[in-house]
Amino acid sequence: AQRVTQPEKLLSVFKGAPVELKCNYSYSGSPELFWYVQYSRQRLQLLLRHISRESIKGFTADLNKGETSFHLKKPFAQEEDSAMYYCALSGAGGGNKLVFGAGTILRVKS
Amino acid sequence: KAGVTQTPRYLIKTRGQQVTLSCSPISGHRSVSWYQQTPGQGLQFLFEYFSETQRNKGNFPGRFSGRQFSNSRSEMNVSTLELGDSALYLCASSFAQGAGEKLFFGSGTQLSVL
Repeated sequence: AQRVTQPEKLLSVFKGAPVELKCNYSYSGSPELFWYVQYSRQRLQLLLRHISRESIKGFTADLNKGETSFHLKKPFAQEEDSAMYYCALSGAGGGNKLVFGAGTILRVKS
Repeated sequence: KAGVTQTPRYLIKTRGQQVTLSCSPISGHRSVSWYQQTPGQGLQFLFEYFSETQRNKGNFPGRFSGRQFSNSRSEMNVSTLELGDSALYLCASSFAQGAGEKLFFGSGTQLSVL
């Protein structure tokens, strides 16, 4: 079975502090992993995906198959990073079927 | 390009009724998928359509159904509504179908079942 676990419901950090949003997954094959973000009063949108190996808005995420993790990191948090972050997984043959984690609210305090 | 458009934004229904939700994908996108979002269960996949064919289905009862038209617009229908069907229903579109595709989400339809 496919499962995504985000252990923290809320992560609160000060502006300028490093951020790490945790994501662990369970999947027997080779997953595609994503981070989606929802800012206040905006639509859910893609932040980054493993397949692109990109850095968006200073965020990066590395797939660790040994630890089955895909943690989202940013060295210096900004107030505009405050949002709900969802980790999601897509399995081979799964098309656009995504399994989402429960989400983590990131609050960046000034 | 216009984004994914979902109508209506809000719906109030009573138990036992049925409801139809509509989704217009981004122009040129051929894949449409539907998700249910609730505070208790989070975001759950309902189904995906590509070129008018259902390609994937989530773990929902048969009361939940959908279809896609030749212009890629999609509808989902819920029959015999139950209180537990109250949720935000999100539609997402993408150009192609496949793991790794970027999904573009609509604003959702908030369904309240009384």
